[in-house]
Amino acid sequence: DTGVSQNPRHKITKRGQNVTFRCDPISEHNRLYWYRQTLGQGPEFLTYFQNEAQLEKSRLLSDRFSAERPKGSFSTLEIQRTEQGDSAMYLCASVSGAHPEETQYFGPGTRLLVL
Amino acid sequence: AQSVTQLGSHVSVSEGALVLLRCNYSSSVPPYLFWYVQYPNQGLQLLLKYTSAATLVKGINGFEAEFKKSETSFHLTKPSAHMSDAAEYFCAVSGVDSNYQLIWGAGTKLIIKP
Repeated sequence: DTGVSQNPRHKITKRGQNVTFRCDPISEHNRLYWYRQTLGQGPEFLTYFQNEAQLEKSRLLSDRFSAERPKGSFSTLEIQRTEQGDSAMYLCASVSGAHPEETQYFGPGTRLLVL
Repeated sequence: AQSVTQLGSHVSVSEGALVLLRCNYSSSVPPYLFWYVQYPNQGLQLLLKYTSAATLVKGINGFEAEFKKSETSFHLTKPSAHMSDAAEYFCAVSGVDSNYQLIWGAGTKLIIKP
């Protein structure tokens, strides 16, 4: 068990560029969450996968955001046409246990800065 | 709708003193409650969770929390603070109101004075 990994750890981009982040969950976990966290706030739910199926997306999630989990293993989060307001820490969590008592195991996050 | 309030964005205690981090929630039905800790440059880690069993929940690193329905609270305590406890602590709630997604508090940064 090597834990949840996220790449890259840091990303600086110019406004209008596209960025993609990757999350590798714990291998036996079939559920995966993406969150966004800004300074001084708790994580904000973005989307949720069970295996390769995207089961829920936040209503606050812009159409510029898309996530995939093509083989039910790693997941990617893409932000198109980035805006300065997208600057945040993006967290991935993989999940063990029965919903809703589950334990979420978080990666270290990808910190995005949009200039 | 469910929500979580953590009183105090920063809490400072002396090493060896009692740690008390406050969390109040709102929920129309008994919720599931969680405390997570975030050390610098690390991912969030579960400290403990309440899932309708015992109201006093013991977690890792000597922390515990008590679910008090009448006060809608789930405060986190540790009898004696250690320097290694310095971190940010997040309370979260889930339940039918949130479609069982975690709703997070804004976090409390715990500062330990030597």
